[in-house]
Amino acid sequence: NAGVTQTPKFQVLKTGQSMTLQCAQDMNHEYMSWYRQDPGMGLRLIHYSVGAGITDQGEVPNGYNVSRSTTEDFPLRLLSAAPSQTSVYFCASTSPKLPRGYTFGSGTRLTVV
Amino acid sequence: AQKITQTQPGMFVQEKEAVTLDCTYDTSDQSYGLFWYKQPSSGEMIFLIYQGSYDEQNATEGRYSLNFQKARKSANLVISASQLGDSAMYFCAMREAFSSGSARQLTFGSGTQLTVLP
Repeated sequence: NAGVTQTPKFQVLKTGQSMTLQCAQDMNHEYMSWYRQDPGMGLRLIHYSVGAGITDQGEVPNGYNVSRSTTEDFPLRLLSAAPSQTSVYFCASTSPKLPRGYTFGSGTRLTVV
Repeated sequence: AQKITQTQPGMFVQEKEAVTLDCTYDTSDQSYGLFWYKQPSSGEMIFLIYQGSYDEQNATEGRYSLNFQKARKSANLVISASQLGDSAMYFCAMREAFSSGSARQLTFGSGTQLTVLP
């Protein structure tokens, strides 16, 4: 099925560990983005990309790294996990040809202990 | 200043009644889009309705309608004939066309938890 696929769905990390959250879309969308959702704060933009090879920071980028080597994939790397990064992470994609067409992945629930 | 404000952390509505969820926004762009998403307890983000800043009529999608008051910068979601399955978190979001930085990304409000009572 066409859409945005996020893996893993759940992850527990120890403080200081690193990991990569995967995000892939098969809709040929140019724009991809990562959000985190914390209780009472809605979704906040971490990083985004407007095309392969182009990334930029969002509202809360510290502690995260991204790259966009292909149109399809947009991984989010946690360099040294901290308890403050415990959150639910969503990947989303869209195209400038689809002004209302944002597609979200199902989310990754990350706990850092 | 917050770009999207949802002032109702929680709302209750009786089944089959209508309910309005409030959303105000702040932007200096002339071209922007407003969205409402539903997030059930299972966690996925479900698109409900979209309103473009140049749309002359209020958007409607089935039981959902968006009460768009441009001068007041409000975009309230109206759910008619509430159902038990409408119990969820509801987020208002905005896409600005020409904002510096996060071009064309969504900015979300803090959400409203709606509970439909039988």
